[in-house]
Amino acid sequence: EAGVAQSPRYKIIEKRQSVAFWCNPISGHATLYWYQQILGQGPKLLIQFQNNGVVDDSQLPKDRFSAERLKGVDSTLKIQPAKLEDSAVYLCASSLGTTGNLFTDTQYFGPGTRLTVL
Amino acid sequence: RKEVEQDPGPFNVPEGATVAFNCTYSNSASQSFFWYRQDCRKEPKLLMSVYSSGNEDGRFTAQLNRASQYISLLIRDSKLSDSATYLCVVNPIDSSYKLIFGSGTRLLVRP
Repeated sequence: EAGVAQSPRYKIIEKRQSVAFWCNPISGHATLYWYQQILGQGPKLLIQFQNNGVVDDSQLPKDRFSAERLKGVDSTLKIQPAKLEDSAVYLCASSLGTTGNLFTDTQYFGPGTRLTVL
Repeated sequence: RKEVEQDPGPFNVPEGATVAFNCTYSNSASQSFFWYRQDCRKEPKLLMSVYSSGNEDGRFTAQLNRASQYISLLIRDSKLSDSATYLCVVNPIDSSYKLIFGSGTRLLVRP
Protein backbone atom coordinates (compact mmCIF):
# COMPACT_ATOMS: atom_id res chain seq x y z
CA GLU A 1 0.00 0.00 0.00
CA ALA A 2 1.36 3.41 -0.96
CA GLY A 3 2.13 5.76 1.89
CA VAL A 4 1.61 9.49 2.27
CA ALA A 5 3.34 11.35 -0.55
CA GLN A 6 4.78 14.82 -0.20
CA SER A 7 6.62 17.17 -2.53
CA PRO A 8 8.99 18.80 -2.80
CA ARG A 9 11.30 17.07 -0.33
CA TYR A 10 13.52 20.12 0.07
CA LYS A 11 13.00 23.82 -0.55
CA ILE A 12 15.26 26.81 0.01
CA ILE A 13 13.81 30.29 -0.31
CA GLU A 14 14.59 33.80 0.82
CA LYS A 15 12.49 35.58 3.42
CA ARG A 16 9.40 37.31 2.10
CA GLN A 17 9.12 34.81 -0.77
CA SER A 18 6.20 32.42 -1.15
CA VAL A 19 6.27 28.64 -1.06
CA ALA A 20 3.77 25.82 -1.45
CA PHE A 21 3.85 22.21 -0.35
CA TRP A 22 1.78 19.35 -1.68
CA CYS A 23 0.48 16.23 0.04
CA ASN A 24 -1.33 13.16 -1.23
CA PRO A 25 -2.70 11.02 1.62
CA ILE A 26 -3.14 7.28 1.77
CA SER A 27 -6.05 6.24 -0.43
CA GLY A 28 -9.32 6.22 1.45
CA HIS A 29 -8.10 8.31 4.38
CA ALA A 30 -10.63 10.97 5.24
CA THR A 31 -8.52 12.91 7.73
CA LEU A 32 -5.44 14.88 6.72
CA TYR A 33 -3.08 16.82 8.96
CA TRP A 34 -0.30 19.31 8.41
CA TYR A 35 2.37 19.55 11.10
CA GLN A 36 5.37 21.84 11.54
CA GLN A 37 8.45 20.35 13.15
CA ILE A 38 11.17 22.78 14.14
CA LEU A 39 14.61 21.31 14.80
CA GLY A 40 14.80 19.81 18.28
CA GLN A 41 11.03 19.91 18.81
CA GLY A 42 8.14 17.54 18.29
CA PRO A 43 5.65 18.03 15.47
CA LYS A 44 3.08 20.76 16.05
CA LEU A 45 -0.34 20.51 14.42
CA LEU A 46 -1.07 23.38 12.05
CA ILE A 47 -4.35 22.26 10.50
CA GLN A 48 -6.59 19.21 10.37
CA PHE A 49 -9.05 18.40 7.59
CA GLN A 50 -11.91 15.93 7.66
CA ASN A 51 -12.62 15.28 3.98
CA ASN A 52 -12.54 18.83 2.56
CA GLY A 53 -13.63 20.60 5.75
CA VAL A 54 -11.37 22.18 8.36
CA VAL A 55 -11.66 20.59 11.81
CA ASP A 56 -8.90 22.47 13.63
CA ASP A 57 -6.74 25.35 12.45
CA SER A 58 -6.24 27.01 15.83
CA GLN A 59 -2.44 26.95 15.56
CA LEU A 60 -2.18 28.01 11.91
CA PRO A 61 -0.67 31.52 11.56
CA LYS A 62 -3.42 32.68 9.28
CA ASP A 63 -1.75 35.97 8.38
CA ARG A 64 0.79 34.05 6.32
CA PHE A 65 -0.20 30.38 6.16
CA SER A 66 -3.07 28.92 4.20
CA ALA A 67 -4.12 25.37 3.37
CA GLU A 68 -6.76 23.76 1.25
CA ARG A 69 -8.10 20.34 0.42
CA LEU A 70 -10.61 21.16 -2.25
CA LYS A 71 -11.65 17.69 -3.42
CA GLY A 72 -11.15 15.92 -0.12
CA VAL A 73 -8.05 14.09 -1.33
CA ASP A 74 -4.74 15.89 -1.82
CA SER A 75 -3.86 19.11 -0.06
CA THR A 76 -1.59 22.12 -0.39
CA LEU A 77 -0.05 24.27 2.33
CA LYS A 78 1.17 27.73 1.38
CA ILE A 79 3.32 30.28 3.18
CA GLN A 80 3.23 33.86 1.96
CA PRO A 81 5.43 35.68 2.84
CA ALA A 82 7.94 33.38 4.53
CA LYS A 83 9.89 34.40 7.63
CA LEU A 84 13.16 33.06 8.96
CA GLU A 85 11.33 31.29 11.80
CA ASP A 86 9.35 29.25 9.28
CA SER A 87 12.43 27.12 8.66
CA ALA A 88 11.26 23.65 9.63
CA VAL A 89 10.11 20.29 8.31
CA TYR A 90 6.49 20.31 7.20
CA LEU A 91 4.92 16.93 7.73
CA CYS A 92 1.67 15.73 6.25
CA ALA A 93 -0.18 12.85 7.89
CA SER A 94 -3.40 11.02 7.20
CA SER A 95 -5.72 8.64 8.99
CA LEU A 96 -8.91 6.79 8.22
CA GLY A 97 -10.88 9.24 10.33
CA THR A 98 -13.89 6.99 10.56
CA THR A 99 -13.50 4.93 13.73
CA GLY A 100 -13.59 7.74 16.26
CA ASN A 101 -10.98 5.82 18.23
CA LEU A 102 -7.38 6.95 18.16
CA PHE A 103 -6.18 3.50 19.22
CA THR A 104 -7.48 2.07 15.95
CA ASP A 105 -7.12 5.16 13.76
CA THR A 106 -3.37 5.56 13.41
CA GLN A 107 -1.86 8.66 11.86
CA TYR A 108 0.63 7.84 9.09
CA PHE A 109 3.19 10.47 8.23
CA GLY A 110 4.75 11.39 4.93
CA PRO A 111 8.50 11.98 4.56
CA GLY A 112 8.10 15.73 5.00
CA THR A 113 9.31 18.83 3.20
CA ARG A 114 12.39 20.45 4.67
CA LEU A 115 12.09 24.23 4.28
CA THR A 116 15.02 26.58 4.75
CA VAL A 117 14.31 30.31 4.76
CA LEU A 118 17.38 32.49 4.26
CA ARG B 1 4.22 24.77 31.28
CA LYS B 2 4.41 22.57 28.19
CA GLU B 3 1.50 20.22 27.56
CA VAL B 4 3.85 17.27 27.15
CA GLU B 5 7.32 17.25 28.68
CA GLN B 6 10.18 14.85 28.09
CA ASP B 7 13.83 14.67 29.05
CA PRO B 8 15.63 15.41 25.75
CA GLY B 9 18.56 13.12 26.62
CA PRO B 10 20.56 11.79 24.93
CA PHE B 11 20.51 8.49 26.74
CA ASN B 12 23.71 6.70 25.75
CA VAL B 13 23.54 2.99 26.60
CA PRO B 14 25.40 -0.17 25.59
CA GLU B 15 23.77 -2.92 23.61
CA GLY B 16 21.75 -5.22 25.84
CA ALA B 17 21.00 -2.55 28.42
CA THR B 18 17.56 -1.71 29.76
CA VAL B 19 16.53 1.91 29.45
CA ALA B 20 13.43 3.80 30.55
CA PHE B 21 11.95 7.11 29.47
CA ASN B 22 9.32 9.11 31.28
CA CYS B 23 6.98 11.75 30.01
CA THR B 24 4.59 14.04 31.89
CA TYR B 25 1.44 15.68 30.59
CA SER B 26 -0.40 18.69 31.96
CA ASN B 27 -4.01 18.07 30.94
CA SER B 28 -5.58 15.67 33.43
CA ALA B 29 -8.49 15.10 31.03
CA SER B 30 -6.22 13.58 28.38
CA GLN B 31 -7.62 10.36 27.04
CA SER B 32 -5.21 8.57 24.76
CA PHE B 33 -1.46 8.15 24.90
CA PHE B 34 1.14 6.90 22.47
CA TRP B 35 4.84 6.50 21.86
CA TYR B 36 6.14 7.37 18.39
CA ARG B 37 9.62 6.68 17.12
CA GLN B 38 11.47 9.07 14.83
CA ASP B 39 14.73 8.15 13.14
CA CYS B 40 17.14 10.90 12.14
CA ARG B 41 15.71 12.95 9.25
CA LYS B 42 12.75 10.60 8.91
CA GLU B 43 9.05 10.87 9.71
CA PRO B 44 7.54 9.79 13.04
CA LYS B 45 6.06 6.31 13.18
CA LEU B 46 3.77 4.82 15.79
CA LEU B 47 5.71 2.57 18.15
CA MET B 48 2.93 1.61 20.50
CA SER B 49 -0.24 2.81 22.14
CA VAL B 50 -0.36 3.14 25.92
CA TYR B 51 -3.34 1.53 27.58
CA SER B 52 -4.54 2.20 31.11
CA SER B 53 -3.54 -1.28 32.21
CA GLY B 54 -0.11 -1.01 30.63
CA ASN B 55 0.98 -3.02 27.64
CA GLU B 56 3.95 -4.90 26.30
CA ASP B 57 5.16 -5.50 22.76
CA GLY B 58 8.25 -7.68 22.64
CA ARG B 59 11.09 -5.78 24.28
CA PHE B 60 8.97 -2.66 24.78
CA THR B 61 6.69 -1.97 27.76
CA ALA B 62 4.52 1.11 28.16
CA GLN B 63 2.88 2.23 31.39
CA LEU B 64 0.39 4.95 32.24
CA ASN B 65 0.02 6.60 35.64
CA ARG B 66 -3.04 8.85 35.52
CA ALA B 67 -2.76 9.96 39.14
CA SER B 68 0.71 11.38 38.55
CA GLN B 69 0.06 12.23 34.90
CA TYR B 70 3.02 10.44 33.46
CA ILE B 71 3.74 7.82 30.84
CA SER B 72 6.76 5.58 30.67
CA LEU B 73 8.48 3.49 28.02
CA LEU B 74 10.84 0.67 28.97
CA ILE B 75 13.14 -0.92 26.41
CA ARG B 76 14.83 -4.17 27.38
CA ASP B 77 17.85 -5.74 25.70
CA SER B 78 18.59 -2.61 23.65
CA LYS B 79 19.68 -3.08 20.04
CA LEU B 80 21.76 -0.76 17.89
CA SER B 81 18.64 -0.34 15.74
CA ASP B 82 16.75 1.15 18.70
CA SER B 83 18.82 4.33 18.34
CA ALA B 84 16.25 7.01 17.55
CA THR B 85 14.20 9.78 19.12
CA TYR B 86 11.17 8.62 21.07
CA LEU B 87 8.22 11.01 21.05
CA CYS B 88 5.60 10.96 23.79
CA VAL B 89 2.18 11.78 22.34
CA VAL B 90 -1.06 12.72 24.05
CA ASN B 91 -4.60 13.18 22.80
CA PRO B 92 -6.03 15.90 25.02
CA ILE B 93 -9.64 15.60 23.94
CA ASP B 94 -11.55 12.39 23.45
CA SER B 95 -13.73 13.79 20.73
CA SER B 96 -11.04 14.67 18.22
CA TYR B 97 -8.02 13.16 16.56
CA LYS B 98 -5.69 15.92 17.79
CA LEU B 99 -2.28 14.75 18.98
CA ILE B 100 0.15 16.77 21.09
CA PHE B 101 3.77 15.69 20.69
CA GLY B 102 6.54 16.06 23.21
CA SER B 103 9.95 17.22 22.02
CA GLY B 104 11.31 13.71 22.21
CA THR B 105 13.99 11.77 24.05
CA ARG B 106 17.03 10.78 22.05
CA LEU B 107 18.44 7.28 22.55
CA LEU B 108 21.88 6.20 21.39
CA VAL B 109 22.73 2.52 21.69
CA ARG B 110 26.45 1.83 21.36
CA PRO B 111 28.16 -1.49 20.49
